[in-house]
Formats: sequence, structure tokens, C-alpha cells
Amino acid sequence: ETGVTQTPRHLVMGMTNKKSLKCEQHLGHNAMYWYKQSAKKPLELMFVYSLEERVENNSVPSRFSPECPNSSHLFLHLHTLQPEDSALYLCASSQDLSGLIFQPQHFGDGTRLSIL
Amino acid sequence: RKEVEQDPGPFNVPEGATVAFNCTYSNSASQSFFWYRQDCRKEPKLLMSVYSSGNEDGRFTAQLNRASQYISLLIRDSKLSDSATYLCVVNDENQAGTALIFGKGTTLSVSS
Repeated sequence: ETGVTQTPRHLVMGMTNKKSLKCEQHLGHNAMYWYKQSAKKPLELMFVYSLEERVENNSVPSRFSPECPNSSHLFLHLHTLQPEDSALYLCASSQDLSGLIFQPQHFGDGTRLSIL
Repeated sequence: RKEVEQDPGPFNVPEGATVAFNCTYSNSASQSFFWYRQDCRKEPKLLMSVYSSGNEDGRFTAQLNRASQYISLLIRDSKLSDSATYLCVVNDENQAGTALIFGKGTTLSVSS
């Protein structure tokens, strides 16, 4: 059983809908991440949170809005998405952001998002 | 542009074969290196970290060559269950924080 839980596992939505993806980690980690994985492309880092503060925003369109209410939970709010946003969205966590020596990340199962 | 390059494969090998994957990275300042495994339609899972001295975990051996900015993964005595995509991962640093850069992955298919 993964220590990082994502819901929902699958989501189909229209371009005008508003939905949210949820991630919860049970590992006591301090850093959480959102990644996008599209077919035939490497994982793309979207957002990084450390101790509930956003430390990275990789030029992600504003139609994606993250929220980290506490160190165990991370949300990705979706609004007015485009068909090219269809992808697997993965949440990950790591112990913390420790500078030069980077600790490995643990991934959730992902949410497979389809935009109609 | 800081990148991680991998041969996408697929590598099709019989059971028992030895197979090696290579990965090159462009950021000479990178300090942390990992191999992840991703099964079809599943999340990536950490396979092993890669240390400067090289490290081995059972049938898997990872090596790092900093001078050439090159990482390798060797799998001996391949099993059917080794069939997956193997992701080379390197840390990157920027002003905002640190992040992992993932390669596109190398696909391995082991057949009986």
C-alpha cells in the first residue's frame, strides 16, 4: 500500500468544469510535489511545496491552482482546462528539501485526467 | 536547458539475459541520482539511488561517471517481472529550490 494516496483515480471533465485533485501522504514528509505525465514525454514538475510553502512553480498555466493546507495534504484545483491537459497527474512527497543531497520521492498512484 | 537523456528502447530480451541502460545528464552540478521503475499505467517507484562508488542491489547494479555525466543500470538474470519502463532521475537546482529531472524512460520487455 502506497504511503501517498491520490483521489480520484480517474477524472473526466469538460473544459468549463471546475474540479480538484487531492493528495494525502502518510509518511511524515515535509515536501510535496505535483507532476504531469503525458504520453511519450518525461514527467514534468509542476509545483513544489516545502512545509506548506510553495517553492517552485514551473511556468504552469493559471488554470492549475495548487493548495497545501498542511504538510500532509496537497490539492490541485482545475478550472477551464484544455484538451492538451489530459494526462496522468502524479503527486509525490519526500522527507524534505535538503539542498545538495536530494532525497528520493514517493509517488501516489496518480489521477488520470481526460478533458473532453 | 538541463536535461536527462535516455535511449527509449524498447529493449526486448529473453529471460536470464543481462541488459544495460544508459543515461546522460547535462547539469554538471547535479548531486543526486536515482533509477525509478514505472509499470504500465502505474506510478514511478524508486528502484535504487546511485552513488559515486557504484552500488548493487541483488541483480541490479548502478554506476555513476561524473566526468562523463553518465549513469548506468545493469540488470542481470532478467525476469519476466522486470518488464517495465526505467526512469533515470537527476536532481536539479535553481533559485527557487531543488527538483528532480526525469528522463523519458527506457522500456524493457523480458520474454520467456
